[in-house]
Amino acid sequence: DADVTQTPRNRITKTGKRIMLECSQTKGHDRMYWYRQDPGLGLRLIYYSFDVKDINKGEISDGYSVSRQAQAKFSLSLESAIPNQTALYFCATSPGTRTYEQYFGPGTRLTVT
Amino acid sequence: AQSVTQPDIHITVSEGASLELRCNYSYGATPYLFWYVQSPGQGLQLLLKYFSGDTLVQGIKGFEAEFKRSQSSFNLRKPSVHWSDAAEYFCAVPDFGNEKLTFGTGTRLTIIP
Repeated sequence: DADVTQTPRNRITKTGKRIMLECSQTKGHDRMYWYRQDPGLGLRLIYYSFDVKDINKGEISDGYSVSRQAQAKFSLSLESAIPNQTALYFCATSPGTRTYEQYFGPGTRLTVT
Repeated sequence: AQSVTQPDIHITVSEGASLELRCNYSYGATPYLFWYVQSPGQGLQLLLKYFSGDTLVQGIKGFEAEFKRSQSSFNLRKPSVHWSDAAEYFCAVPDFGNEKLTFGTGTRLTIIP
């Protein structure tokens, strides 16, 4: 079984709808991250969390919110989706301890029409 | 802030030929550096990492990278590519203060028969 899973894998939604992307991990890592990937822009950090009570904004957090329900679960919400949020979204985990390595889920392809 | 630049957006290589993907970093001290690979429809997988010590680093799938301080580079190499190496490759550097990773914009590798 995959260590980092994301649901759904693909989603099409309409402008103005609320949508939640979910991430679960079995790696036992404290640190979790949400990125979006756009062609030609690489990966950009949306939010990150060092533990259940520690959530931080990344470089492009506007229009997004997150919830860390447990050590293993980190959800990303789009309160009112807009077309320029169409992207590939990745969840990642890290053990911390200053190794800086991150382990990625398979991604969620989101299309906002 | 530290950053990485991948000057090549797209590279095409014949199967069996050698490969070099470029990554330049901007950081005052000795950086930690990573290479990740994203195969079609997949998440990112760590290929190799450089923390300190030997400047030639071996990774998975037959890849290696060489850290050159004088050129601020960390180029990825493979002596003979296989069709399965077709993917997008990302160089990354961590932010030591908050343990985030900053990614380059990626290089897409196409393999021709």
